[in-house]
Amino acid sequence: EVQLLESGGGLVQPGGSLRLSCAGSGFTFRTYTMSWVRQAPGKGLEWVSAISGSGGTTYYRDSVKGRFTISRDNSKNTLHLQMNSLRAEDTAVYYCAKWIPNYFGMDVWGHGTTVTVSS
Amino acid sequence: DIQMTQSPSSLSASVGDRVTITCRAGRSISSYLSWYLQRPGKAPKLLIYFASNLQSGVPSRFSGSGSGTDFTLTISGLQPEDFGTYYCQETDITPYTFGQGTKLYIK
Repeated sequence: EVQLLESGGGLVQPGGSLRLSCAGSGFTFRTYTMSWVRQAPGKGLEWVSAISGSGGTTYYRDSVKGRFTISRDNSKNTLHLQMNSLRAEDTAVYYCAKWIPNYFGMDVWGHGTTVTVSS
Repeated sequence: DIQMTQSPSSLSASVGDRVTITCRAGRSISSYLSWYLQRPGKAPKLLIYFASNLQSGVPSRFSGSGSGTDFTLTISGLQPEDFGTYYCQETDITPYTFGQGTKLYIK
């Protein structure tokens, strides 16, 4: 069964850091582009970042550029999101997701991990 | 960023009804449009990709159409498990913007 399992969420103070992880199983992890997508409480979906299968190409939305870093360890089938200088507006459920090739859509999603930025 | 506008924002329909949700892109995105359903407290589920392709395992009552800037998701024969919030997403260029969502209530 194809699965994604996120971990690492929690409560952090403004300006703090957190590292999210996503473990993939049931598919050839290194082959697929992966993304993080977030959803603030009561709000819609917001794409955050993407990384190519090799890890050589990364993309970010403007509001997280310079603060968040996406990475992957294909030897461990794991995706990461290092989040620094966290702000209240980063509070959300963070989902990792697997892309269909050619950016046709995200066909597998994890259950999400909650990040709360508050003092 | 490409603006994605869904309509309606919410709707109520009965089991067996035909339901249509539209999504308009701020500029042409060819067919780089996906549709998702998110049930309360759950992760989104891909229904349609590249505007009109049914994702594996998704019931055939779901269909998508459109290209360029105007897209439609149709549910033919609504079922109780179809309630939730539907999102479109452009997958042409970052930041791969989602629409604001359409909340579907079952009467």
